[in-house]
Amino acid sequence: DTGVSQNPRHKITKRGQNVTFRCDPISEHNRLYWYRQTLGQGPEFLTYFQNEAQLEKSRLLSDRFSAERPKGSFSTLEIQRTEQGDSAMYLCASSPLPRAGGGGEQFFGPGTRLTVL
Amino acid sequence: GENVEQHPSTLSVQEGDSAVIKCTYSDSASNYFPWYKQELGKRPQLIIDIRSNVGEKKDQRIAVTLNKTAKHFSLHITETQPEDSAVYFCAATINFGNEKLTFGTGTRLTIIP
Repeated sequence: DTGVSQNPRHKITKRGQNVTFRCDPISEHNRLYWYRQTLGQGPEFLTYFQNEAQLEKSRLLSDRFSAERPKGSFSTLEIQRTEQGDSAMYLCASSPLPRAGGGGEQFFGPGTRLTVL
Repeated sequence: GENVEQHPSTLSVQEGDSAVIKCTYSDSASNYFPWYKQELGKRPQLIIDIRSNVGEKKDQRIAVTLNKTAKHFSLHITETQPEDSAVYFCAATINFGNEKLTFGTGTRLTIIP
C-alpha cells in the first residue's frame, strides 16, 4: 500500500495520560499535515510540515500538543495530559509541493481514533 | 481567516437522478477547491478539485463549477448510484500561500434505490 498510513488506528486512554500517534506519508510527498475531526464535522487544520520544518500551527494546537517530523519522512503527534475534549479522529495528510497549474493535492490517511475516558 | 459554508447538510435523491452540493467561501485569495468523499469510518477521499483559473471541471459523472466573483463552488453528481451514498466535504485553500484546507461542514448524501 503506497498511501498514507497511520498508527495506531484506535487509542483508548485515561484522562491525564500522554499519547503519541504516528503518520507515514506517501514517500515522495514533501508536505505533511495534521487535522482533527469530530463527529459530524469536517476536518480542522492543526499543523503542517514542509520536509522537517513545521511551517504553521493552528490556535487549536494548545501547548499540550506537539508535532515533529525529524527527518522529513514520518511524523508524530503527541498529546500530553489528555482531556476528554481531546477525543476525536486525528487525520494525517500528505501532498506534493504545489507547482504552476497543479500540485498541492492532499491525500489523507485512515486516521487514529482517540477516546479519552 | 477563511470560512467555508456548505449546503445542504443532508440530501436524498432517487437512484439515477442528479445531486448538487453548494459551497461558499469568504477569502478571495483562495485559489484551490477540492472535494472529498468520506464513507462511514473511512478516510476522506479526494474525488475532484478545481483551481481558480478554471470555471468548470468534469470527471465522468462528477463535475465541479466555480464562480470566483460570487465566491461559490458546487459539486454535481449525475446518474447517481447507491455507492455514491457518503458524506461529501468541500474545502478551500491558498496554494502557494497558507496551504491549510478549510472544510465545509459536510453533506450527507443518501441515494434511494
